[in-house]
Amino acid sequence: GQQLNQSPQSMFIQEGEDVSMNCTSSSIFNTWLWYKQDPGEGPVLLIALYKAGELTSNGRLTAQFGITRKDSFLNISASIPSDVGIYFCAGQLAYGNKLVFGAGTILRVKS
Amino acid sequence: NAGVTQTPKFRVLKTGQSMTLLCAQDMNHEYMYWYRQDPGMGLRLIHYSVGEGTTAKGEVPDGYNVSRLKKQNFLLGLESAAPSQTSVYFCASSRSGGSGYTFGSGTRLTVV
Repeated sequence: GQQLNQSPQSMFIQEGEDVSMNCTSSSIFNTWLWYKQDPGEGPVLLIALYKAGELTSNGRLTAQFGITRKDSFLNISASIPSDVGIYFCAGQLAYGNKLVFGAGTILRVKS
Repeated sequence: NAGVTQTPKFRVLKTGQSMTLLCAQDMNHEYMYWYRQDPGMGLRLIHYSVGEGTTAKGEVPDGYNVSRLKKQNFLLGLESAAPSQTSVYFCASSRSGGSGYTFGSGTRLTVV
């Protein structure tokens, strides 16, 4: 089946630093999504991307849909303690509604 | 607006016991899904449903059964629990043809 390679696996950064993570695949996806999971909760949608090359922001978060449609990037600017959690990328194939999830990036912030 | 509600939130089972996890959504979504989350493995799809009365296997269906008798409910059953089924289980729903899932808050299951 399709696989998404998400990196890094975990990050431990200083408060105020910018964060970058990415997701790559051997398959072409129609949609890319980024989710955040707070401890003890389910994932919550942060950003959805629908077109190759699209760049979308949500507050301090910016995500891009790669030109090849096989990758996506998420950047967090000026990280704060509440950014702690697991960030998942997910890809949606053109035909069908099921999402394929990456393994997640664990973000820890030092205050 | 509750979104997706999962019950129970926590459960401990003995090996061989059975149980049913309930997922309910109030958004009139057509699609519903059951995932399990294990450390370092992300979210793996167990079963899903594209509408009332339909179910289909996902990536890791063995040892689980599901039913979607009502549009708003999706049940996940474990007939004979095994320690390998210790995990956090998430239910999600989405509009048919829509993008993005709404997740419940999870059920933490421990099989001893």
